[in-house]
Amino acid sequence: NAGVMQNPRHLVRRRGQEARLRCSPMKGHSHVYWYRQLPEEGLKFMVYLQKENIIDESGMPKERFSAEFPKEGPSILRIQQVVRGDSAAYFCASSGSNQPQHFGDGTRLSIL
Amino acid sequence: KQEVTQIPAALSVPEGENLVLNCSFTDSAIYNLQWFRQDPGKGLTSLLLIQSSQREQTSGRLNASLDKSSGRSTLYIAASQPGDSATYLCAGGGDAGGTSYGKLTFGQGTILTVHP
Repeated sequence: NAGVMQNPRHLVRRRGQEARLRCSPMKGHSHVYWYRQLPEEGLKFMVYLQKENIIDESGMPKERFSAEFPKEGPSILRIQQVVRGDSAAYFCASSGSNQPQHFGDGTRLSIL
Repeated sequence: KQEVTQIPAALSVPEGENLVLNCSFTDSAIYNLQWFRQDPGKGLTSLLLIQSSQREQTSGRLNASLDKSSGRSTLYIAASQPGDSATYLCAGGGDAGGTSYGKLTFGQGTILTVHP
């Protein structure tokens, strides 16, 4: 039973480009969470989604960031017009209903 | 707003020692408390999950306790080994309308080094 799969593992973008981070939840999980870990900081919640719905986006920056979890396919975290401050590790977690979250290995985003 | 604090920030011990990592949280209306391990460049591995109705959980050499009234949790590691070296994170789980555990609020972590 494969765990939470994130890709790419490492992503390099130039300032102003778009970054797309993908997360395939564990089989049978319909809840997806995105967290960000900035250098020298702890993990911060960004957004919580269920299939086709955003449940809680209280941790998402107001601009340039968006997330989706379509009926078919992986969850996508999209960052438009990236800036140096977006450099971080982005982690995805998934869970079943009323179940603990399982984390992927993360995507390390570097902005040149 | 939930805030989670971990003490100490770093800990270095010789192999074989028993040790305690501390975690405190500000909102006692916590749904659950989870301890994770993070190795450099890796994701998070769940170690123990304590539901709000529970007082402690045990797995092998690990024991975690939860005291909601004082807003504290501790992770006890018995007979530490060099392979235990990692960053340990505690996280408080909220309630998303009772349908899932909702978002986790993480502490800054304790960096543990166990030297031979």
